[in-house]
Amino acid sequence: DTGVSQDPRHKITKRGQNVTFRCDPISEHNRLYWYRQTLGQGPEFLTYFQNEAQLEKSRLLSDRFSAERPKGSFSTLEIQRTEQGDSAMYLCASSFGQTGGEQYFGPGTRLTVT
Amino acid sequence: GEDVEQSLFLSVREGDSSVINCTYTDSSSTYLYWYKQEPGAGLQLLTYIFSNMDMKQDQRLTVLLNKKDKHLSLRIADTQTGDSAIYFCSSGTYKYIFGTGTRLKVLA
Repeated sequence: DTGVSQDPRHKITKRGQNVTFRCDPISEHNRLYWYRQTLGQGPEFLTYFQNEAQLEKSRLLSDRFSAERPKGSFSTLEIQRTEQGDSAMYLCASSFGQTGGEQYFGPGTRLTVT
Repeated sequence: GEDVEQSLFLSVREGDSSVINCTYTDSSSTYLYWYKQEPGAGLQLLTYIFSNMDMKQDQRLTVLLNKKDKHLSLRIADTQTGDSAIYFCSSGTYKYIFGTGTRLKVLA
């Protein structure tokens, strides 16, 4: 069990550019979550998948954000036309089960928008 | 919306016990969780407690839950310098709600 992995670990981009992050969950986990964490705050829920189905999206996830989980394995989070306010740590977590289960987090992708 | 509140800072001497407190509003959570975050890292699941339990002990960690008052605490026995980190409690079934975290500083 290699744990949840995320790529890249750090991303610096200019305002207006598009960025894409990848998350590989623990292999047998059917649920995958994305959170955003800004400095000095706890993580905030963005969206989650059960297998390949995206079941809920937070109002924090504006139209510029899109997440996918093709084939129910890895997931990508894309941010289009990045803004300085998008600068944050983007955390991915996974869990096993139908009703939740404890979530295991990856190391995060730190995004800096200049 | 649902909320989780924690005190921001705690400072203890090495070898002492640390107690980190948390209050939450979501009464529907089946489990409540404690996570640890070191600088620049993701969250590490430390322990969790089923909502019908009052206490859970896991090596140096003791979790106490007062469901009536919606109060959760994490006690770390024999605190070490390696325990210095930010500790988050969270509630929720799939959509976890996190507090702002308690920054624990362990003084040698």
